[in-house]
Amino acid sequence: DTGVSQDPRHKITKRGQNVTFRCDPISEHNRLYWYRQTLGQGPEFLTYFQNEAQLEKSRLLSDRFSAERPKGSFSTLEIQRTEQGDSAMYLCASSLGYTTEAFFGQGTRLTVV
Amino acid sequence: GIQVEQSPPDLILQEGANSTLRCNFSDSVNNLQWFHQNPWGQLINLFYIPSGTKQNGRLSATTVATERYSLLYISSSQTTDSGVYFCAVLSGSRLTFGEGTQLTVNP
Repeated sequence: DTGVSQDPRHKITKRGQNVTFRCDPISEHNRLYWYRQTLGQGPEFLTYFQNEAQLEKSRLLSDRFSAERPKGSFSTLEIQRTEQGDSAMYLCASSLGYTTEAFFGQGTRLTVV
Repeated sequence: GIQVEQSPPDLILQEGANSTLRCNFSDSVNNLQWFHQNPWGQLINLFYIPSGTKQNGRLSATTVATERYSLLYISSSQTTDSGVYFCAVLSGSRLTFGEGTQLTVNP
């Protein structure tokens, strides 16, 4: 097991374009989380899945954001019509259960120009 | 929602010095973790410590859940300890992070 994997590591896109990020959790981890981190701040919760069900979404997750976790394995986070304010590090984490230790991936750094 | 406060926000040390980082939280929690964010942005797990004391080499952590705080101790600091240290607490279904402590260890 190589830990949580995210792809791509870096993404530069023009304002208005759509982008999609992928997260592969640690195998057998049934919980998967997405966070966003801007410069100088701590990570902020976006959404989480238990298996394939998306159980909670932050109000930070506007209508332009959508996340999926088909079959309870990998997850994708799509941002439509990107804005400069979307520039951030997007982090994915997984855990085995409700109160167990969460492990983070390397993150995807998005720059919207 | 729960509030997580870390102190100090910045800390500058000489190599070999000891330090204590603090994390206060505003409500009862189910889990508490300490992370070190490396220069490339990845969060490295240091401790999973909802209560009690744990040690790992030069690092140790203590969480007093009833008083709603946790401490991270770094002894004999090295330049490689530099970076941002985050405390995160699990309340409800999400981990909530503090703003971090930026540690700089000078040779």
